[in-house]
Amino acid sequence: SQQGEEDPQALSIQEGENATMNCSYKTSINNLQWYRQNSGRGLVHLILIRSNEREKHSGRLRVTLDTSKKSSSLLITASRAADTASYFCATANSGNTPLVFGKGTRLSVIA
Amino acid sequence: NAGVTQTPKFQVLKTGQSMTLQCAQDMNHNSMYWYRQDPGMGLRLIYYSASEGTTDKGEVPNGYNVSRLNKREFSLRLESAAPSQTSVYFCASSEQGEKLFFGSGTQLSVL
Repeated sequence: SQQGEEDPQALSIQEGENATMNCSYKTSINNLQWYRQNSGRGLVHLILIRSNEREKHSGRLRVTLDTSKKSSSLLITASRAADTASYFCATANSGNTPLVFGKGTRLSVIA
Repeated sequence: NAGVTQTPKFQVLKTGQSMTLQCAQDMNHNSMYWYRQDPGMGLRLIYYSASEGTTDKGEVPNGYNVSRLNKREFSLRLESAAPSQTSVYFCASSEQGEKLFFGSGTQLSVL
């Protein structure tokens, strides 16, 4: 069963706006990861944040993790049409267990 | 550097036919995975191999078998295909607990 649940399921914004996607999970985790999937393609890793970290940045991406609320957020700043994709969070309960993916958020960035 | 290579990219089967999906990685990763992706369901783990010589069931293993042929290769076999196995299949590899690298996927239709 899915560990993470993304919210919203779909998001449509104008180019230049910020996009925020949220992920909630149920059990304690070792790390949480965000992936991107363009239509018809495989998933591509964006960011990994460990359970002892609260925030991470990578270019226009900012990820936060609140282990007390069992939630994470992915912020994409100054969005571009090329950011249109599905975004998935995935959690690992320990270093040896495989990732469990959520159902994803479909982001549409309108030029 | 090819990363994770999956074959075939597309396949149509009749109910009851068998087939093997091939996956190979050239990153010297210990762990390999097979996921399936269905509309609205996100990715669900079928089987994984934490290291060469070991395989374990994931969330949806029924109707599938796997073989970790060597460190590079991890195959997924459908012995008697059913329409419920119509899906997009992704192979992935990683070092344990770290980010996944995905193949480009196999789109399988079972009629």
